[in-house]
Amino acid sequence: EDQVTQSPEALRLQEGESSSLNCSYTVSGLRGLFWYRQDPGKGPEFLFTLYSAGEEKEKERLKATLTKKESFLHITAPKPEDSATYLCAVQYTNAGKSTFGDGTTLTVKP
Amino acid sequence: DAGITQSPRHKVTETGTPVTLRCHQTENHRYMYWYRQDPGHGLRLIHYSYGVKDTDKGEVSDGYSVSRSKTEDFLLTLESATSSQTSVYFCAIRDRDGEKLFFGSGTQLSVL
Repeated sequence: EDQVTQSPEALRLQEGESSSLNCSYTVSGLRGLFWYRQDPGKGPEFLFTLYSAGEEKEKERLKATLTKKESFLHITAPKPEDSATYLCAVQYTNAGKSTFGDGTTLTVKP
Repeated sequence: DAGITQSPRHKVTETGTPVTLRCHQTENHRYMYWYRQDPGHGLRLIHYSYGVKDTDKGEVSDGYSVSRSKTEDFLLTLESATSSQTSVYFCAIRDRDGEKLFFGSGTQLSVL
Protein backbone atom coordinates (compact mmCIF):
# COMPACT_ATOMS: atom_id res chain seq x y z
CA GLU A 1 0.00 0.00 0.00
CA ASP A 2 1.28 3.45 -0.92
CA GLN A 3 2.21 5.50 2.10
CA VAL A 4 3.60 8.95 2.77
CA THR A 5 4.77 9.83 6.28
CA GLN A 6 5.90 13.28 7.33
CA SER A 7 7.87 14.16 10.44
CA PRO A 8 7.82 15.92 12.74
CA GLU A 9 4.11 16.77 13.00
CA ALA A 10 5.00 20.20 14.38
CA LEU A 11 8.22 22.16 14.53
CA ARG A 12 8.91 25.39 16.40
CA LEU A 13 12.02 27.37 15.48
CA GLN A 14 13.53 30.68 16.40
CA GLU A 15 14.09 33.08 13.55
CA GLY A 16 17.39 32.17 11.92
CA GLU A 17 17.46 28.62 13.32
CA SER A 18 17.86 26.24 10.36
CA SER A 19 16.23 22.80 10.31
CA SER A 20 14.80 20.07 8.05
CA LEU A 21 11.42 18.46 7.48
CA ASN A 22 11.22 14.82 6.45
CA CYS A 23 8.92 12.99 4.04
CA SER A 24 9.36 9.22 3.77
CA TYR A 25 7.41 7.26 1.18
CA THR A 26 6.66 3.79 -0.05
CA VAL A 27 5.03 3.83 -3.47
CA SER A 28 5.25 1.69 -6.55
CA GLY A 29 5.95 3.60 -9.69
CA LEU A 30 6.86 7.04 -8.36
CA ARG A 31 6.18 9.65 -11.02
CA GLY A 32 7.08 12.65 -8.91
CA LEU A 33 7.39 13.94 -5.35
CA PHE A 34 5.85 17.32 -4.60
CA TRP A 35 6.16 19.84 -1.80
CA TYR A 36 3.36 22.30 -1.06
CA ARG A 37 2.95 25.10 1.45
CA GLN A 38 -0.45 25.68 3.07
CA ASP A 39 -1.41 28.77 5.04
CA PRO A 40 -4.40 28.66 7.44
CA GLY A 41 -7.73 28.89 5.63
CA LYS A 42 -6.17 28.55 2.18
CA GLY A 43 -5.49 25.84 -0.37
CA PRO A 44 -2.02 24.31 -0.74
CA GLU A 45 0.45 26.24 -2.88
CA PHE A 46 3.06 24.46 -5.01
CA LEU A 47 6.73 24.71 -4.04
CA PHE A 48 8.79 21.97 -5.74
CA THR A 49 8.69 18.82 -7.86
CA LEU A 50 11.42 16.17 -7.65
CA TYR A 51 11.60 13.21 -10.00
CA SER A 52 14.70 11.14 -9.28
CA ALA A 53 17.06 10.29 -6.44
CA GLY A 54 19.82 12.85 -6.08
CA GLU A 55 17.75 15.71 -7.46
CA GLU A 56 17.72 19.00 -5.56
CA LYS A 57 15.72 22.22 -5.98
CA GLU A 58 15.96 25.56 -4.23
CA LYS A 59 13.76 28.57 -3.74
CA GLU A 60 14.79 31.39 -1.44
CA ARG A 61 15.36 29.83 2.02
CA LEU A 62 13.98 26.42 1.01
CA LYS A 63 15.84 23.48 -0.50
CA ALA A 64 14.25 20.13 -1.35
CA THR A 65 16.20 16.91 -1.83
CA LEU A 66 15.19 13.38 -2.82
CA THR A 67 16.49 9.87 -2.17
CA LYS A 68 14.90 6.54 -3.11
CA LYS A 69 12.98 6.42 0.16
CA GLU A 70 12.60 9.97 1.43
CA SER A 71 12.69 13.66 0.74
CA PHE A 72 13.89 16.50 2.92
CA LEU A 73 12.81 20.12 2.93
CA HIS A 74 15.67 22.15 4.37
CA ILE A 75 14.88 25.58 5.73
CA THR A 76 17.87 27.89 6.11
CA ALA A 77 17.67 30.91 8.42
CA PRO A 78 13.85 30.88 8.53
CA LYS A 79 11.76 34.00 9.03
CA PRO A 80 8.34 34.30 10.72
CA GLU A 81 6.69 34.50 7.29
CA ASP A 82 7.87 30.93 6.63
CA SER A 83 5.37 29.75 9.26
CA ALA A 84 2.90 27.42 7.53
CA THR A 85 2.03 23.76 7.09
CA TYR A 86 4.28 22.00 4.59
CA LEU A 87 2.75 19.07 2.70
CA CYS A 88 4.53 16.33 0.81
CA ALA A 89 2.78 14.35 -1.93
CA VAL A 90 3.79 11.49 -4.22
CA GLN A 91 2.25 11.12 -7.66
CA TYR A 92 1.89 7.49 -8.75
CA THR A 93 -0.22 7.44 -11.90
CA ASN A 94 -0.33 9.14 -15.27
CA ALA A 95 -3.65 10.68 -14.28
CA GLY A 96 -1.92 12.67 -11.57
CA LYS A 97 -3.35 10.73 -8.66
CA SER A 98 -1.34 11.62 -5.60
CA THR A 99 -1.03 10.49 -1.99
CA PHE A 100 -0.44 13.29 0.52
CA GLY A 101 1.29 13.17 3.87
CA ASP A 102 -0.37 14.70 6.91
CA GLY A 103 1.98 17.69 6.86
CA THR A 104 4.43 19.41 9.17
CA THR A 105 3.26 22.61 10.84
CA LEU A 106 6.18 25.00 11.11
CA THR A 107 6.14 27.96 13.49
CA VAL A 108 8.99 30.47 13.35
CA LYS A 109 9.22 32.85 16.31
CA PRO A 110 10.87 36.27 15.92
CA ASP B 1 -3.50 31.98 -9.93
CA ALA B 2 -5.02 29.18 -12.06
CA GLY B 3 -8.47 30.73 -12.13
CA ILE B 4 -10.15 28.25 -9.79
CA THR B 5 -13.28 29.25 -7.93
CA GLN B 6 -15.05 27.07 -5.39
CA SER B 7 -18.59 27.70 -4.19
CA PRO B 8 -19.92 27.98 -1.64
CA ARG B 9 -17.02 28.87 0.67
CA HIS B 10 -18.95 27.77 3.74
CA LYS B 11 -22.02 25.58 4.16
CA VAL B 12 -23.92 24.19 7.10
CA THR B 13 -26.43 21.45 6.40
CA GLU B 14 -28.36 18.73 8.16
CA THR B 15 -27.80 15.00 8.07
CA GLY B 16 -29.64 13.33 5.22
CA THR B 17 -29.86 16.38 2.93
CA PRO B 18 -28.22 16.49 -0.51
CA VAL B 19 -25.34 18.91 -1.01
CA THR B 20 -23.55 19.99 -4.18
CA LEU B 21 -20.21 21.78 -4.25
CA ARG B 22 -19.01 23.51 -7.37
CA CYS B 23 -15.55 23.99 -8.81
CA HIS B 24 -15.14 26.37 -11.72
CA GLN B 25 -11.96 26.94 -13.74
CA THR B 26 -11.30 29.48 -16.45
CA GLU B 27 -8.21 28.08 -18.21
CA ASN B 28 -9.46 24.94 -19.94
CA HIS B 29 -7.45 22.42 -17.92
CA ARG B 30 -8.21 18.78 -18.68
CA TYR B 31 -7.67 17.25 -15.23
CA MET B 32 -9.71 18.29 -12.17
CA TYR B 33 -9.74 16.76 -8.69
CA TRP B 34 -11.78 16.81 -5.49
CA TYR B 35 -9.95 16.32 -2.19
CA ARG B 36 -11.10 16.43 1.40
CA GLN B 37 -8.85 17.55 4.25
CA ASP B 38 -9.38 16.46 7.84
CA PRO B 39 -7.18 16.89 10.90
CA GLY B 40 -4.87 13.91 11.17
CA HIS B 41 -5.60 12.65 7.64
CA GLY B 42 -4.07 15.21 5.32
CA LEU B 43 -5.57 15.53 1.84
CA ARG B 44 -7.44 12.52 0.47
CA LEU B 45 -8.62 12.15 -3.11
CA ILE B 46 -12.39 11.69 -3.54
CA HIS B 47 -12.90 11.71 -7.33
CA TYR B 48 -11.15 13.12 -10.34
CA SER B 49 -11.94 13.94 -13.94
CA TYR B 50 -9.81 13.65 -17.05
CA GLY B 51 -12.26 15.25 -19.46
CA VAL B 52 -15.90 16.08 -20.07
CA LYS B 53 -18.00 13.18 -18.79
CA ASP B 54 -14.82 11.25 -17.90
CA THR B 55 -14.45 10.67 -14.18
CA ASP B 56 -12.95 8.08 -11.85
CA LYS B 57 -12.88 7.24 -8.17
CA GLY B 58 -10.25 8.21 -5.64
CA GLU B 59 -9.42 6.61 -2.32
CA VAL B 60 -12.46 7.91 -0.36
CA SER B 61 -15.27 7.97 -2.94
CA ASP B 62 -18.05 6.23 -0.95
CA GLY B 63 -20.99 8.59 -0.40
CA TYR B 64 -19.87 11.01 -3.12
CA SER B 65 -20.65 11.41 -6.80
CA VAL B 66 -19.28 13.82 -9.38
CA SER B 67 -20.24 15.23 -12.73
CA ARG B 68 -18.45 17.17 -15.42
CA SER B 69 -20.77 18.23 -18.22
CA LYS B 70 -18.45 20.99 -19.46
CA THR B 71 -14.72 21.56 -19.21
CA GLU B 72 -14.89 24.44 -16.77
CA ASP B 73 -17.18 22.94 -14.11
CA PHE B 74 -16.64 19.93 -11.83
CA LEU B 75 -19.42 19.23 -9.34
CA LEU B 76 -19.19 17.16 -6.18
CA THR B 77 -22.46 15.83 -4.75
CA LEU B 78 -23.17 14.30 -1.39
CA GLU B 79 -26.44 12.48 -2.05
CA SER B 80 -27.35 12.21 1.63
CA ALA B 81 -24.91 14.06 3.85
CA THR B 82 -23.59 12.43 7.03
CA SER B 83 -21.68 13.92 9.96
CA SER B 84 -18.56 12.02 8.85
CA GLN B 85 -18.55 14.18 5.72
CA THR B 86 -17.92 17.33 7.75
CA SER B 87 -14.64 18.48 6.29
CA VAL B 88 -12.84 21.04 4.18
CA TYR B 89 -13.17 20.25 0.48
CA PHE B 90 -10.58 21.37 -2.03
CA CYS B 91 -10.81 21.37 -5.78
CA ALA B 92 -7.59 21.21 -7.79
CA ILE B 93 -6.53 21.34 -11.41
CA ARG B 94 -3.39 19.88 -12.94
CA ASP B 95 -1.25 22.20 -14.96
CA ARG B 96 -0.56 21.49 -18.61
CA ASP B 97 2.98 20.16 -18.19
CA GLY B 98 1.53 17.43 -15.99
CA GLU B 99 3.33 18.47 -12.87
CA LYS B 100 1.90 20.53 -10.09
CA LEU B 101 -1.63 20.91 -8.83
CA PHE B 102 -3.28 24.28 -8.31
CA PHE B 103 -5.85 24.34 -5.52
CA GLY B 104 -8.94 26.39 -4.93
CA SER B 105 -9.58 28.18 -1.63
CA GLY B 106 -11.70 25.37 -0.24
CA THR B 107 -15.26 24.83 1.01
CA GLN B 108 -15.83 24.34 4.73
CA LEU B 109 -18.80 21.93 5.03
CA SER B 110 -20.45 21.19 8.35
CA VAL B 111 -23.07 18.44 8.55
CA LEU B 112 -25.10 18.64 11.76
